[in-house]
Amino acid sequence: DAKTTQPPSMDCAEGRAANLPCNHSTISGNEYVYWYRQIHSQGPQYIIHGLKNNETNEMASLIITEDRKSSTLILPHATLRDTAVYYCIVGGGGTSYGKLTFGQGTILTVHP
Amino acid sequence: GAGVSQSPSNKVTEKGKDVELRCDPISGHTALYWYRQSLGQGLEFLIYFQGNSAPDKSGLPSDRFSAERTGGSVSTLTIQRTQQEDSAVYLCASSFSGTGGTTQYFGPGTRLTVL
Repeated sequence: DAKTTQPPSMDCAEGRAANLPCNHSTISGNEYVYWYRQIHSQGPQYIIHGLKNNETNEMASLIITEDRKSSTLILPHATLRDTAVYYCIVGGGGTSYGKLTFGQGTILTVHP
Repeated sequence: GAGVSQSPSNKVTEKGKDVELRCDPISGHTALYWYRQSLGQGLEFLIYFQGNSAPDKSGLPSDRFSAERTGGSVSTLTIQRTQQEDSAVYLCASSFSGTGGTTQYFGPGTRLTVL
């Protein structure tokens, strides 16, 4: 079973920030929070990951709460090409490499 | 550098036939994963290879499914006596074993259709 809970769908206006929430209340101390997205008919694409601290890269920012029980992925200026299914996943920490359990994700629709 | 590649991109087969799906991971990546995605569904883990360790086969749905990884690089997923419920997109991913979490890089997938 997936260890995360995400809203099934969200909308965002083009040019605005998209804030995608994720709950992971059972996360263990050595598990990371990963975000991937899947655009129709393509393989999943890595976006960002973090352990405790907030992270930022060229694609997005990841905000993790202090208790690590939830996080938010932020796409600062959403474009139409950001329309995709976004998956929040916990796992793969430290030396414990292995499968990532994908849930149903959030369908983000960016509209003009 | 090249990403993860998979072949064939599409495969149509008849029920009862065997199929082989190939994955070429990113050079230098020691971990390799197979997933499948049925229409409209999320990804389902199948099997995971890490270096020379015994693979984690916990996700294989039946004994008709098997996978090999030769020389720590290329992997082949074999499905024997295919059934219609095997129809799905089969995705391969690879990652580099290091500290700081495992970022998996996915291939484009093989779309399998069993008639």
